[in-house]
Amino acid sequence: KNEVEQSPQNLTAQEGEFITINCSYSVGISALHWLQQHPGGGIVSLFMLSSGKKKHGRLIATINIQEKHSSLHITASHPRDSAVYICAVNYGGSQGNLIFGKGTKLSVKP
Amino acid sequence: DAGVIQSPRHEVTEMGQEVTLRCKPISGHNSLFWYRQTMMRGLELLIYFNNNVPIDDSGMPEDRFSAKMPNASFSTLKIQPSEPRDSAVYFCASSPRQGRAKNIQYFGAGTRLSVL
Repeated sequence: KNEVEQSPQNLTAQEGEFITINCSYSVGISALHWLQQHPGGGIVSLFMLSSGKKKHGRLIATINIQEKHSSLHITASHPRDSAVYICAVNYGGSQGNLIFGKGTKLSVKP
Repeated sequence: DAGVIQSPRHEVTEMGQEVTLRCKPISGHNSLFWYRQTMMRGLELLIYFNNNVPIDDSGMPEDRFSAKMPNASFSTLKIQPSEPRDSAVYFCASSPRQGRAKNIQYFGAGTRLSVL
C-alpha cells in the first residue's frame, strides 16, 4: 500500500467548476507539498504546508494533521488548470525524506 | 534568475553506455535533489545534497548510479552502465534553507532518457 494516496486518479471538469483533490498519508510528517505538473512535463511547487490552510489566487490547500489528510481546491476552474497534481510528504524531520503520491490528472473542458 | 537548468533535455543511448545528466541549481540555494519519474512508479527521490554534501542516497537504485556535487553551482547524475529499465525522466530540483521560500523546491525541466 502506498503511504501517500491521492483521489481521484483522474478528474474531468467543466470550466468554472469548483474542484477538490484529496491526499491521505499514513506516516508522521513535518510538511506536505502540492506540486503541479504541466502537460509539457514541467513541475511547479504550489504549496508547502504543515498546518491549517494556504491560499494563492484560485488555489487553496488545507491540511488536517490529526486526520492525516490534505485537500487542494481550485475555484472557478479554467482549461489552463489542466495538469497532474501531485501530493508529497516530508517525513522523519528531514527535508529530503519525501514520499510522493501517484498524482491526480485533471482535465478542465471549456 | 534562469531557474534550475538541466542538460541535456533528451538523451537516447544504447544499453551499456555511460550516461551523464547535469544540473545547475538556482544561485544561493543550499539543497539539491535528483528525482526519477516513470509511469509505473511515479516520482522517486534518488539523492539529495545539502551544501554540496550528499545527505541521503538511499533512493539510488543500485551501484550503477552515482551523483556528485563538486561545487554549489553544479551537479551530475551518472549511470554506468545504462540499462533499458533506466529509461525515465530525471528531474533536478533545488531549494533554499532559509528565507520565505525555505524548503520549497524549484524543479528543472527534466531530462528524458531513453536507453535502447
